[in-house]
Amino acid sequence: EDQVTQSPEALRLQEGESSSLNCSYTVSGLRGLFWYRQDPGKGPEFLFTLYSAGEEKEKERLKATLTKKESFLHITAPKPEDSATYLCAVARGNQFYFGTGTSLTVIP
Amino acid sequence: KAGVTQTPRYLIKTRGQQVTLSCSPISGHRSVSWYQQTPGQGLQFLFEYFSETQRNKGNFPGRFSGRQFSNSRSEMNVSTLELGDSALYLCASSLTGQAFYGYTFGSGTRLTVV
Repeated sequence: EDQVTQSPEALRLQEGESSSLNCSYTVSGLRGLFWYRQDPGKGPEFLFTLYSAGEEKEKERLKATLTKKESFLHITAPKPEDSATYLCAVARGNQFYFGTGTSLTVIP
Repeated sequence: KAGVTQTPRYLIKTRGQQVTLSCSPISGHRSVSWYQQTPGQGLQFLFEYFSETQRNKGNFPGRFSGRQFSNSRSEMNVSTLELGDSALYLCASSLTGQAFYGYTFGSGTRLTVV
């Protein structure tokens, strides 16, 4: 069964305290892995796409990596404005399979 | 460049009623997908339309239906509303519909069924 699992469900960090979010998947025929950020009351906002194992992408304090079974979103020296829910999704055909997200809170 | 527009932003309906949600994709995008987001289940795929044709459908009951017009705008209809239909309904558009290329999401319609 196609499945995307994110951990942890929730994460509280002090400002400046680096950490990683995990996304593991069992989707066959993977065509890409996507990271989105979602703020309360808004739709998901695109962050990264990763297409093959070993690939890495960076944007400001965020860095996404991909292996054959999982992806990590590393957050370096986070700031309060990084607080949001981070969603992982894998693409197969014309459909996304989403994880349930990690709710990140960064405390000043 | 205008983004994906969903209307209305908020709706309150009574159990048993029906509701229609609207989505205007990014200009030039021909694919529109709909997702239901709830705290427990996350984002669940409802259906995808491309050039007025439904190409893919998720595992939802027949009470959930949709359509796409020639200008790519899409509507989603839920009939005989149930309390469990309370959710954030998200629309996403893309040029070709291949998830491979990524989607742009709207801000969603928050539906509350009472």
